[in-house]
This record gives sequence, structure tokens and C-alpha cells, in this order.
Amino acid sequence: DQQVKQNSPSLSVQEGRISILNCDYTNSMFDYFLWYKKYPAEGPTFLISISSIKDKNEDGRFTVFLNKSAKHLSLHIVPSQPGDSAVYFCAASARGSGGSNYKLTFGKGTLLTVNP
Amino acid sequence: DSGVTQTPKHLITATGQRVTLRCSPRSGDLSVYWYQQSLDQGLQFLIQYYNGEERAKGNILERFSAQQFPDLHSELNLSSLELGDSALYFCASSGRDPRLETQYFGPGTRLLVL
Repeated sequence: DQQVKQNSPSLSVQEGRISILNCDYTNSMFDYFLWYKKYPAEGPTFLISISSIKDKNEDGRFTVFLNKSAKHLSLHIVPSQPGDSAVYFCAASARGSGGSNYKLTFGKGTLLTVNP
Repeated sequence: DSGVTQTPKHLITATGQRVTLRCSPRSGDLSVYWYQQSLDQGLQFLIQYYNGEERAKGNILERFSAQQFPDLHSELNLSSLELGDSALYFCASSGRDPRLETQYFGPGTRLLVL
């Protein structure tokens, strides 16, 4: 049962254009969402997050949008740069479950390639 | 550099053996999480420790165990290894930031079971 889904295994965009990475979730208890970027042979690097009380969060070139009714979030990268080429993971946690357990449930990732 | 360190970086061993993976969290972080990344399963949560106590368990096999020591470093012990245990094992930590939910990952340990 995959609770976080990234249906596009890969995405290719031109440098300078917008990259849009999508993520869907099924567990309505999820209330905090994160995007991580991962290069080969390295650990995931935190990019940006959003709480379920918001529908948008922006940090420089990265913006995350959350549509709770559709259980969908997306990461927009504008403008895309060749250095953005990596695997992007969507992750979710259910903070409301209490305690200090904020385990993350990950999607399987989307490989973004930004072509010069 | 996330501030989370993991050793060793690579580990090659044989089926039936036992190995120990080590993780040092970022300074001041109290939570340590272990994740397994295999080719077909993606990143899967294994177990969490918070200030020395087990806090949550995920898809962790009975052959696997972990602990967090008083200095907050953690070890993941994998025993009776099988070929299918070959994977990347990541440690993450959180707890220093007010936003407790942000987990910072180490570089991982690549385990190959032959």
C-alpha cells in the first residue's frame, strides 16, 4: 500500500524553464509534507516543506503547492538549472499522531534532468 | 554537509553474517531515524529513537535491531544477513530546530551481501 505516490519516474526540461514535480498521497492523517533532493551516492537533502494549514510555501526558486482536497502537492522550480538534475523525493508525516514520532513516508522519486 | 555522519560508507559481507552500522546525529539533535533504500522499495522507515528510547518502529525485520547511546549516536545491527538485505541504509536526525519535523540525512551506508 503506497501512501505517497510520485507517478512520473522521470522528467526532462530545458534550462531556464519551469520544472513541475508532482506527488499524490492517500493518508488523510498526513499533515506535513517535504521535498528532498538526492544525488547519487549521497543522502537526501532537505529542500522545502509545507504544513497542511498552508497551500503554498516559497523559498527562492522553489515553491511547493498543496491541494488538500485533491491530496496532491507539487514542487515548482523556476528557473530550472542543470545543477538541479537529481532525484526528487516527496515525503509526508502525520504530526498529529502525537509524541515525537515524525517518521517520513516517501514516494519513490522522480529523476529530473535539466538540459543546458 | 548535513552534519549527520555515518560509518562505514561501504560494507561488503556474506550471507549469514552480522554487521553494525553507526550514525552520529547533528549536534543537539535528539531523534535518530533509520531508513532503508532498496532498488524496488524506495526509502522505507525502519525505526526511530528519541533521546535514547525507541519511539517508533516501521518495516524493520526481527533480524535487525538498533539502539541509541547516551551520547546520542545510534547503531543499527543487522544479523543473519540475506542477499535481499543489500541496500543503502540512511540515518537521519532531527530535534534541534523548532520545526522538529525536518529530518537531515547522512550520506548513507551501502551494504552488499554476497
